[in-house]
Amino acid sequence: EAQVTQNPRYLITVTGKKLTVTCSQNMNHEYMSWYRQDPGLGLRQIYYSMNVEVTDKGDVPEGYKVSRKEKRNFPLILESPSPNQTSLYFCASSLISGRAGREQFFGPGTRLTVL
Amino acid sequence: QQQVKQSPQSLIVQKGGISIINCAYENTAFDYFPWYQQFPGKGPALLIAIRPDVSEKKEGRFTISFNKSAKQFSLHIMDSQPGDSATYFCAASIRSSASKIIFGSGTRLSIRP
Repeated sequence: EAQVTQNPRYLITVTGKKLTVTCSQNMNHEYMSWYRQDPGLGLRQIYYSMNVEVTDKGDVPEGYKVSRKEKRNFPLILESPSPNQTSLYFCASSLISGRAGREQFFGPGTRLTVL
Repeated sequence: QQQVKQSPQSLIVQKGGISIINCAYENTAFDYFPWYQQFPGKGPALLIAIRPDVSEKKEGRFTISFNKSAKQFSLHIMDSQPGDSATYFCAASIRSSASKIIFGSGTRLSIRP
């Protein structure tokens, strides 16, 4: 089954404790992206990647890191989480070119609470 | 200029009625306008999309109306059903930016039986 998976689905942590949220897709998509969803603000892009070893900042990158060492994986790293990073996080992937390009496939989400 | 403004924030419609959600944009370089549907506890999923060379696209009960001169587009859900209750996001993207998509703030739609 074609899908984007995220782990963990739920996470409660404390301020300053480094964490990683994993994302993996099995559709051979070049493009991968991380979003955070907050009430009234919609989906805001954190980081995106056009291909392996190619990453760039989105609209709200502060406090986050990413890496793209393999095409299928795109982990989101919070080196020192703070309470304002409490949010619902989504990973997404898509093809870049072709008729099917630009449709984004989203993972199930990770609900993060930072105390 | 990269913003996509969406309204209303929430909407309640009776079963069988028409649900209408509106979006506006500023950047005339946008050339792809998708709508995503999100059910509680799930990630968003593409519902329907339009390119600016057409004024309307219909898929079943869902229609996008696109007004290029006004830089506005809207989603119409005909014969709305309780199963349509979800959060809807409009979005826009530019081909030169590949798959980078700007999302609206979302509309929580509730269909009353």
